[in-house]
Amino acid sequence: AQRVTQPEKLLSVFKGAPVELKCNYSYSGSPELFWYVQYSRQRLQLLLRHISRESIKGFTADLNKGETSFHLKKPFAQEEDSAMYYCALSVGGGSEKLVFGKGTKLTVNP
Amino acid sequence: GAVVSQHPSWVICKSGTSVKIECRSLDFQATTMFWYRQFPKQSLMLMATSNEGSKATYEQGVEKDKFLINHASLTLSTLTVTSAHPEDSSFYICSALGRGTGTDTQYFGPGTRLTVL
Repeated sequence: AQRVTQPEKLLSVFKGAPVELKCNYSYSGSPELFWYVQYSRQRLQLLLRHISRESIKGFTADLNKGETSFHLKKPFAQEEDSAMYYCALSVGGGSEKLVFGKGTKLTVNP
Repeated sequence: GAVVSQHPSWVICKSGTSVKIECRSLDFQATTMFWYRQFPKQSLMLMATSNEGSKATYEQGVEKDKFLINHASLTLSTLTVTSAHPEDSSFYICSALGRGTGTDTQYFGPGTRLTVL
């Protein structure tokens, strides 16, 4: 079965510190992974996807098929990064259905 | 671009009544929309995939007759919660699939808070 695990419900760091939000997945097919972010009182929005291999707002994520992980990283956290982060797996087959992890609430303290 | 709206943003209804929630893609056409349900402090759970002009595909455990989905046009999908009960109270979120060059992205609506008394 497809599953996305985000082991940390809450993560708190200080401004300027590195941050890593963990995500592990379980999927028998070829995975397509995403990170979505939800800022306070805003809708869910795409942060980045693994196939783009891009850096958005200083965040990067590398797909590690051996460890079935897609951790989100940023070297220097900013207060405006405080938000809810969801890792998602597309189970594909042309349907583009997404399976979401339970989310990690990131708080960046001044 | 790629904005998805939902209406209403919140609704309170009596037990036994039906509630309709609309999901619109404002500046793009979406042949596929998705409906999610989110319980407090929990993740989004996919309820169904809505395809324009055809029947919705429901996820396991989701009652088709309880949650009626209609995708009558390329910019509108509706979710009707029939004979609502307090346990149907939740946050319902839709997304619309935008087709890009080589990539597809789900754009999310702001959600609808349903409270059934």
